[in-house]
Amino acid sequence: SAVISQKPSRDICQRGTSLTIQCQVDSQVTMMFWYRQQPGQSLTLIATANQGSEATYESGFVIDKFPISRPNLTFSTLTVSNMSPEDSSIYLCSVEDPQVGRIYNEQFFGPGTRLTVL
Amino acid sequence: QKEVEQNSGPLSVPEGAIASLNCTYSDRGSQSFFWYRQYSGKSPELIMFIYSNGDKEDGRFTAQLNKASQYVSLLIRDSQPSDSATYLCAVSANAGGTSYGKLTFGQGTILTVHP
Repeated sequence: SAVISQKPSRDICQRGTSLTIQCQVDSQVTMMFWYRQQPGQSLTLIATANQGSEATYESGFVIDKFPISRPNLTFSTLTVSNMSPEDSSIYLCSVEDPQVGRIYNEQFFGPGTRLTVL
Repeated sequence: QKEVEQNSGPLSVPEGAIASLNCTYSDRGSQSFFWYRQYSGKSPELIMFIYSNGDKEDGRFTAQLNKASQYVSLLIRDSQPSDSATYLCAVSANAGGTSYGKLTFGQGTILTVHP
């Protein structure tokens, strides 16, 4: 499976500021995904990031709040803008790891970024 | 109704027993089904996936899928204390023949295996 890293691993931020989270993969992948996991909760998909096109956002998530970049096939960023304490969560990137001959591709997760907003 | 629902926990089993984790889903178009294990403070780790009706075995883990009943389960045989974690069921609906699908997660079941 692909090796995925995220930066930063954790941060404490002040209300009203923005944080950009980086996701780096050690191989080229078509699909990258950004998830949020709020305390004690399961994972919720924020958006799907394709290289060379606009990210596709899920219901309840908007580009102004969570702008995403995908400049190449190994890297993506998620920005959490104008943060409030409700944005305190773990943010995870995942990649679909395509293999020759496979149709249904599993996703692998990065280590996550633990964000606390004061 | 939640899209993906897991049996309420927490689930506690003695070491050596079989742990049974269950998941139901509402979208009949779902194609692929995944079980992730998440240790406290860590990210989810894929342990099993299945997309055909029936059973799939990998070591101590068996995934079972019944699409007619919209039900998927995970059995852990010879449970060990190291299996103690949150288990997340995820479902993917393959989008129109493309090779990826958005994952929808259940709320997770906390499993504790006690010595």
